[in-house]
Amino acid sequence: DAGITQSPRYKITETGRQVTLMCHQTWSHSYMFWYRQDLGHGLRLIYYSAAADITDKGEVPDGYVVSRSKTENFPLTLESATRSQTSVYFCASSESVAGPPTDTQYFGPGTRLTVL
Amino acid sequence: QKEVEQNSGPLSVPEGAIASLNCTYSDRGSQSFFWYRQYSGKSPELIMFIYSNGDKEDGRFTAQLNKASQYVSLLIRDSQPSDSATYLCAVNIYPRSGNTPLVFGKGTRLSVIA
Repeated sequence: DAGITQSPRYKITETGRQVTLMCHQTWSHSYMFWYRQDLGHGLRLIYYSAAADITDKGEVPDGYVVSRSKTENFPLTLESATRSQTSVYFCASSESVAGPPTDTQYFGPGTRLTVL
Repeated sequence: QKEVEQNSGPLSVPEGAIASLNCTYSDRGSQSFFWYRQYSGKSPELIMFIYSNGDKEDGRFTAQLNKASQYVSLLIRDSQPSDSATYLCAVNIYPRSGNTPLVFGKGTRLSVIA
């Protein structure tokens, strides 16, 4: 049981390039999330999705695009990467958000992105 | 502004002692409370969740919830050096959370000294 996986695990890119981070989960969870984690800021939600073709902005969505054509995949695209998007990106999933007991979020291993 | 507050630490405890980690939250309507452990360079890993007032025990870990006082704590008994990590508190305040279903604290760094 693979759970939730992310690829690539490490990525170095240059300012202005497009980058796509992949997230795949095998639990058939309805909800999927993208967070970024930076020193001093903790985990911040970028986007989340309640189901295929349903996405919502989180706390820090600017500069990012998401899509969800299949329940198991939730790619995050940086259309024109900037240095401020250098961060560790975590994908997570849960069965629901509406309360216990199914709102527990499980995290993928993360992608460390460096924008030069 | 929905907030979850944690002392950033570091909290240093000797091996074998009880480590006590605390978290306060601002939204009285919060339903679910989570503790995650995050080792350096790794992703957050769920330790425990708690939904009802009182204590919930799982091995060496005990989560305590007091909704009237709006705090949740995590006790780690017989602390081991392998418990050294950052502990994240998270609170589900959906649907009052706007665009952030789960609100995370910034974490408390725990150091267990052998």
